[in-house]
Amino acid sequence: QSVLTQPPSASGTPGQRVTISCSGTRSNIGDNYVYWYQQVPGTAPKLLIYRNNQRPSGVPDRFSGSKSGTSASLAISGLRSEDESDYYCAAWDDFLSDVAFGGGTKLTVL
Amino acid sequence: QVQLVQSGAEVIKPGASVKVFCKASGYTFTRYTMHWVRQAPGQSLEWMGWINAGDGHTDYSQKFQGRIIITRDTSASTVYMELRRLTSEDTALYFCARSNDDASSWYDYWGQGTLVTVSS
Repeated sequence: QSVLTQPPSASGTPGQRVTISCSGTRSNIGDNYVYWYQQVPGTAPKLLIYRNNQRPSGVPDRFSGSKSGTSASLAISGLRSEDESDYYCAAWDDFLSDVAFGGGTKLTVL
Repeated sequence: QVQLVQSGAEVIKPGASVKVFCKASGYTFTRYTMHWVRQAPGQSLEWMGWINAGDGHTDYSQKFQGRIIITRDTSASTVYMELRRLTSEDTALYFCARSNDDASSWYDYWGQGTLVTVSS
């Protein structure tokens, strides 16, 4: 059971906007930055969003992150078939002194 | 370019230990921290611990305390993760991941992963 809560699945059609939520507590999301990763199963995760809403160079601006209180969201606009992946949120947890990951959301592009 | 290259897949008997390495290149090794994250089949990511490549300081997840040792060899720009007393629940893909900070989930580069299978 993961410390951060994500929906197990999400879906959308090409061109649509999809949002993936990540819920935590004050000790993780509330007091720390949130990070988002994209992963094709069996390969290494890729950093999509850092410090809540910043995009590394090379990540399309179709991807955006936000945070409010103890929740965070990843939005993907202009959905494309290559966006079909697993998405994970992460944050440091001050209470656990541990990195908290979400359970992951499998995005399907219909 | 930054690269993290990990050692190859391992098959380990229950009760034994495994040592995985992560060789870094393309950046100043001692300026970053290396974390280890694992992923069991069909499961989420799980943080294991980190080592500050500069001063060698380490911190481990409570879950692995007493079973994990992370070390580094600055002359070889390589980090090692040893996990002891393996059980079938340790079967997973193990990743090293570079970070700017110690207590952080900000990983900008990842190794390709090392599959560790625990089986008799």
